[in-house]
Amino acid sequence: EADIYQTPRYLVIGTGKKITLECSQTMGHDKMYWYQQDPGMELHLIHYSYGVNSTEKGDLSSESTVSRIRTEHFPLTLESARPSHTSQYLCASGLLEETQYFGPGTRLLVL
Amino acid sequence: GQQVMQIPQYQHVQEGEDFTTYCNSSTTLSNIQWYKQRPGGHPVFLIQLVKSGEVKKQKRLTFQFGEAKKNSSLHITATQTTDVGTYFCAGLEGGSNYKLTFGKGTLLTVNP
Repeated sequence: EADIYQTPRYLVIGTGKKITLECSQTMGHDKMYWYQQDPGMELHLIHYSYGVNSTEKGDLSSESTVSRIRTEHFPLTLESARPSHTSQYLCASGLLEETQYFGPGTRLLVL
Repeated sequence: GQQVMQIPQYQHVQEGEDFTTYCNSSTTLSNIQWYKQRPGGHPVFLIQLVKSGEVKKQKRLTFQFGEAKKNSSLHITATQTTDVGTYFCAGLEGGSNYKLTFGKGTLLTVNP
């Protein structure tokens, strides 16, 4: 089992609040990813990073931002949460050409 | 950009029946990976195929990679209720990109 952690696991928050979803991995992986997934639906890549100080936007436009100051840490921030942000957010990490290891996810509900 | 198409979107079977999901890429792949996501869970890596025409087996699961490295399939023999979940293929582009593109997944439900 891979060592990748996400907190919080569940978050209910009001519209307009700023939130940060945490993701950490202890495997020393250079590549990290954030996916957005509605229940039973496809995975949408919203951000990825090839290493420290490297961040790129994914295929799905997102109002969130990410940072990669340390190899093991890849937090995602929403400056002003809206009901349309309600979803599950999955963090993953991996090596070049290797498999992706997914965290347990954060289920976000914005009221 | 690269597209990975997966069919069918849904499949409902009786326990004991076989199941197959297919994956097609618009570009030649460096490798293809398969993941399983149980309901309420997160995707978990199943297997990676690298060579043209490669076939790998995991108990009742058989994975194939096409000769042109643009398509793949996952076949489950004699499904069980524990096979329920969404199966995703993910194709890795080669070159300097190394971008992994996921298919939309196939949701498998099994009637006991």
